[in-house]
Amino acid sequence: DTAVSQTPKYLVTQMGNDKSIKCEQNLGHDTMYWYKQDSKKFLKIMFSYNNKELIINETVPNRFSPKSPDKAHLNLHINSLELGDSAVYFCASSQDVGWGGSGNTIYFGEGSWLTVV
Amino acid sequence: AQKITQTQPGMFVQEKEAVTLDCTYDTSDPSYGLFWYKQPSSGEMIFLIYQGSYDQQNATEGRYSLNFQKARKSANLVISASQLGDSAMYFCAMRPYTDSWGKLQFGAGTQVVVTP
Repeated sequence: DTAVSQTPKYLVTQMGNDKSIKCEQNLGHDTMYWYKQDSKKFLKIMFSYNNKELIINETVPNRFSPKSPDKAHLNLHINSLELGDSAVYFCASSQDVGWGGSGNTIYFGEGSWLTVV
Repeated sequence: AQKITQTQPGMFVQEKEAVTLDCTYDTSDPSYGLFWYKQPSSGEMIFLIYQGSYDQQNATEGRYSLNFQKARKSANLVISASQLGDSAMYFCAMRPYTDSWGKLQFGAGTQVVVTP
């Protein structure tokens, strides 16, 4: 059983299109995240939800909109895609927001490779 | 603001040898967690090991151990008896526990290539 699963794994789309990436976790965690890994492999947090409530919203263009229908799901919708949005997007989850201990380890999905042409 | 530094962009290691990956961090938080992740060429991010800032002993998980030196703010990963499957990018990360909603921040990574 995959703990954090995201779909699609690969996505090639044209500039200007709107696309979504879906994420589901079966770990029973309360907190979910979206991270972006750029072409230099640098990972940066984009958003975090705790029990469906947005708690972290980094400096991300508002073309990116996360949605959490329940605490097991966190989707990422991207409007008007640009070339610079090409990256790997990782969904992740943890038990808590980060109040200490190994139980707050963040577990990642397999990543979604987005290529904008 | 926190900063994670991995000074080794890449390294080669022979099979069965041990390798140490360097990580230093900078934080003003008194309480934090340190993590190492592995990213093989297939792309997934795999959690390897965790060290809490107040843990007295260095963490170990199988062939992975974390050499934690709090005063020097370093958290080096040691992989013993390297295997070909250890070839991957390795990321050091830190998560503060007292502010910033515990954002996990990453270093730039170290690419490890294990040779026969």
